Amino acid sequence: GAVVSQHPSRVICKSGTSVKIECRSLDFQATTMFWYRQFPKKSLMLMATSNEGSKATYEQGVEKDKFLINHASLTLSTLTVTSAHPEDSSFYICSAKDSQTQYTQYFGPGTRLTVL
Amino acid sequence: DAKTTQPPSMDCAEGRAANLPCNHSTISGNEYVYWYRQIHSQGPQYIIHGLKNNETNEMASLIITEDRKSSTLILPHATLRDTAVYYCIVRVFRETSGSRLTFGEGTQLTVNP
Repeated sequence: GAVVSQHPSRVICKSGTSVKIECRSLDFQATTMFWYRQFPKKSLMLMATSNEGSKATYEQGVEKDKFLINHASLTLSTLTVTSAHPEDSSFYICSAKDSQTQYTQYFGPGTRLTVL
Repeated sequence: DAKTTQPPSMDCAEGRAANLPCNHSTISGNEYVYWYRQIHSQGPQYIIHGLKNNETNEMASLIITEDRKSSTLILPHATLRDTAVYYCIVRVFRETSGSRLTFGEGTQLTVNP
């Protein structure tokens, strides 16, 4: 199947700082990427949909000024958590659609963010 | 997208077949059934998807009832590494920004030695 990578896999930061997470589709081009968040023992929650070359679409309740998403190329989307606080600590997972496999969504390995 | 119902947990003996059920009684004609699994602290892994015909790949088989209101994911010879949360998701097959996977609670499958 198609491969999606994320970097970093783990990050620890101080409260008030910003953190950038990268998501790359390694062997396919993705016009659409997604960002999910997962809290312990909970299911994945969709945060936003990222379309290459246009503004991201955020789900209800997700602050677009806090979670900045950029999808500048067909293989890269970034999520920046601005002015992070301890409540932003979570597992962030990106996903990309592969048009070559009937738009199946493939997921990255996730990024564990801990805000102190 | 249609909602799905799955049992919260299941157990299976190693080497035996694991049959995971999913109800999607409100599925529409243009909605596919997708199965993913998530091993602890990893991103979800795609397993299989189908519309109305049964599907099989190297990982699993997907059996969809004729009325499409339910389906079963079959892992033919479960191993300890198959222990994971399995998600059944129904999604419209179209390339629009609105077409995305929405996760429910899934089924925690535990494969026992």
